[in-house]
Amino acid sequence: EAQVTQNPRYLITVTGKKLTVTCSQNMNHEYMSWYRQDPGLGLRQIYYSMNVEVTDKGDVPEGYKVSRKEKRNFPLILESPSPNQTSLYFCASRSGPGGDTQYFGPGTRLTVL
Amino acid sequence: GQSLEQPSEVTAVEGAIVQINCTYQTSGFYGLSWYQQHDGGAPTFLSYNALDGLEETGRFSSFLSRSDSYGYLLLQELQMKDSASYFCAVRDRTNAGKSTFGDGTTLTVKP
Repeated sequence: EAQVTQNPRYLITVTGKKLTVTCSQNMNHEYMSWYRQDPGLGLRQIYYSMNVEVTDKGDVPEGYKVSRKEKRNFPLILESPSPNQTSLYFCASRSGPGGDTQYFGPGTRLTVL
Repeated sequence: GQSLEQPSEVTAVEGAIVQINCTYQTSGFYGLSWYQQHDGGAPTFLSYNALDGLEETGRFSSFLSRSDSYGYLLLQELQMKDSASYFCAVRDRTNAGKSTFGDGTTLTVKP
């Protein structure tokens, strides 16, 4: 089954404790993205990757890091989480420059105390 | 940059037709996409307009007019399960990895 998976689905942590949210897709997609969603706001792109070892900033990259060492995986790293990073996070993938359909993971609900 | 505007809420009754509008300001984009999201779940792709005009997919249709910087999603024969949030989105033409979403329209379908 074609899918995007994320782990963990829920996470409660404390300020300053480094964490990683994993994302994996099994569709051999080139493009992957991370979004955050806050109440009343749409999806805001944090980082994206157009291929292995190619990443770039989205609209809200501050406080986040990503890496793309393999095509299928695109982890999101919060080196020193702060309460304003409490949000719902989605990973997404799509096939390439000509493919406009994005496939989203189930989401990770993060709370930073 | 890109910015998209949608109404925050729309209410309609079961069986009716509803139109969700999206106006945008962009520096160049490939096309207009629409996504559906139920209550904090994963957004799912509904429709895409690369060219001006109407695209139909079952009960859902989407329209784009580049000259008017405007698009809409049309939902026909509304069902209770259509209650959800709907987002329009564009992909940057100068940077194919970059996507921008509107803030979403919450559709409530009443019996």
